[in-house]
Amino acid sequence: GESVGLHLPTLSVQEGDNSIINCAYSNSASDYFIWYKQESGKGPQFIIDIRSNMDKRQGQRVTVLLNKTVKHLSLQIAATQPGDSAVYFCAEVLSGGYQKVTFGTGTKLQVIP
Amino acid sequence: GAVVSQHPSRVICKSGTSVKIECRSLDFQATTMFWYRQFPKQSLMLMATSNEGSKATYEQGVEKDKFLINHASLTLSTLTVTSAHPEDSSFYICSAREFGNRKSTDTQYFGPGTRLTVL
Repeated sequence: GESVGLHLPTLSVQEGDNSIINCAYSNSASDYFIWYKQESGKGPQFIIDIRSNMDKRQGQRVTVLLNKTVKHLSLQIAATQPGDSAVYFCAEVLSGGYQKVTFGTGTKLQVIP
Repeated sequence: GAVVSQHPSRVICKSGTSVKIECRSLDFQATTMFWYRQFPKQSLMLMATSNEGSKATYEQGVEKDKFLINHASLTLSTLTVTSAHPEDSSFYICSAREFGNRKSTDTQYFGPGTRLTVL
């Protein structure tokens, strides 16, 4: 079946640097995409989302880029902080019906102080 | 903001027993709730979609007789793991979709998860 996947399982970044987490998806019918942050032993926390008709969306210190041509999604975190250390998941959603969220495999971000 | 709670947060049980996990939307009504399972260092896998007042919809490969789901009200869904075995040990997470939410995206709110350990 179609799925969402990630290129890098672990990413180590120096504190203060920018982080880029990538994701490849395969379902071209997905209506929007979401990035979640999950800290150890906790549930996923919404970071930012983007609709399929958009290329870029910015939030506080985060930017999501969507390239539908190559089915690629990325999350950019500016000035990475120790509190950003977590596992990040991209997810895709098909509108209509129950709006099931399909999660990718996740990337662990380690921030080096 | 919308809050989803789960109870218990951790549970340890003996093999062969049943365990019930509750998922509650605290400040909103949820017609649809979702149950996920997450094994260590893996992603969240959707188990089933729970709808208030109707039968749950299970994902392929999930045994409906083993994972009983009840969505009795607009604020509560329960997942019962029947005759639990060590391989059922996992992190179970629920999410709730807000009824009548007019937002275009992300109407789902996730609970904090329940760590189940079966001895």
